[in-house]
Amino acid sequence: GAGVSQTPSNKVTEKGKYVELRCDPISGHTALYWYRQSLGQGPEFLIYFQGTGAADDSGLPNDRFFAVRPEGSVSTLKIQRTERGDSAVYLCASSYRPEGSQYFGPGTRLTVL
Amino acid sequence: KQEVTQIPAALSVPEGENLVLNCSFTDSAIYNLQWFRQDPGKGLTSLLLIQSSQREQTSGRLNASLDKSSGRSTLYIAASQPGDSATYLCAVTMNRDDKIIFGKGTRLHILP
Repeated sequence: GAGVSQTPSNKVTEKGKYVELRCDPISGHTALYWYRQSLGQGPEFLIYFQGTGAADDSGLPNDRFFAVRPEGSVSTLKIQRTERGDSAVYLCASSYRPEGSQYFGPGTRLTVL
Repeated sequence: KQEVTQIPAALSVPEGENLVLNCSFTDSAIYNLQWFRQDPGKGLTSLLLIQSSQREQTSGRLNASLDKSSGRSTLYIAASQPGDSATYLCAVTMNRDDKIIFGKGTRLHILP
């Protein structure tokens, strides 16, 4: 069956611009996670959704970052006024239930010039 | 705050050798520990998951051990192959429905 998909696969933007990154979880998965992986580092947690609500957003670095999951399926990570330090691979994962195994998408590579 | 450390950061070995990747974590009160594989441009693949009550898990040529009290885990790869070349990430969760906390990974290169 289809895995977690993320679009776009690559995004290049200029400093100060707004970007949206999309995640399509595995059908039926209620839990959805966003992580950010900088070069040479392991992924770092950003936010976790259970259904439509953000159950834990403690990893969001500042108020320029926001994520939504309005219908409990697709999620969008939104970054305002992008900075060069936001350049990273943004990974999405989903699981059937919160304590279940997380399945990761291929990621979106964001480059802020 | 939980911290996960992986040693070495990079490793190159000839094909056919057995090898061990090391992982340590600072807070032993984990819920579970996982080893992931990451290939360039692709997502993470879970290789082995060890619950906090378990000591080890095996899958094919891979064996992962967990010593929770000492905050250590090892991933043993037997008879390495060039296709094993990838980055291996060690990760823990602290609670039942918690986020995953990752180490920085070990970049493994198997020489043909």
